[in-house]
Amino acid sequence: GAGVSQSPSNKVTEKGKDVELRCDPISGHTALYWYRQRLGQGLEFLIYFQGNSAPDKSGLPSDRFSAERTGESVSTLTIQRTQQEDSAVYLCASSLHSANTEAFFGQGTRLTVV
Amino acid sequence: DAKTTQPNSMESNEEEPVHLPCNHSTISGTDYIHWYRQLPSQGPEYVIHGLTSNVNNRMASLAIAEDRKSSTLILHRATLRDAAVYYCILRDAYNTDKLIFGTGTRLQVFP
Repeated sequence: GAGVSQSPSNKVTEKGKDVELRCDPISGHTALYWYRQRLGQGLEFLIYFQGNSAPDKSGLPSDRFSAERTGESVSTLTIQRTQQEDSAVYLCASSLHSANTEAFFGQGTRLTVV
Repeated sequence: DAKTTQPNSMESNEEEPVHLPCNHSTISGTDYIHWYRQLPSQGPEYVIHGLTSNVNNRMASLAIAEDRKSSTLILHRATLRDAAVYYCILRDAYNTDKLIFGTGTRLQVFP
């Protein structure tokens, strides 16, 4: 079966433009997470979706960042008016809603803002 | 969120066992102990998890202290491919599960 799929794998954008990053979770996974990882740094939590509950947006760094998820399917992370400091790998993960199971990660989208 | 503490880095020689420690002194009774690793230029991957008893799988073993305030990930025979950053994470069975990563331990494996 397919794992977590992210697209695009690479994105180069000009400063000030908006970008949309997509995550296709594993079918049936109710939990979905977005992270940012700057070069040489750890994973920075951004947002967490769990089923139909209100998402936990506590990690979003500014109001330029937003994310949506339709039901238990695809999620999109949108960054408006991109800045050079937004350059990073954006990782998505999904899991069943249970602490007794593993989370599966996509390969990430490498975003470069020039 | 209960926190974990890991050494920043560790070294090993190939084919030797590696013991990666993790302290979680504020762990609650409903926290599962998870380990993930991140190979260079890849997304993190699951390694192993447990609640109270020691666990073994094809990748590693997890030894959990009797008081659950610490745990150790054991790689029985390190290979060059095991060079990665290893993360110890607590996942609460009953509360919001944000899956927060700390700084992890960077493992270097020498031939």
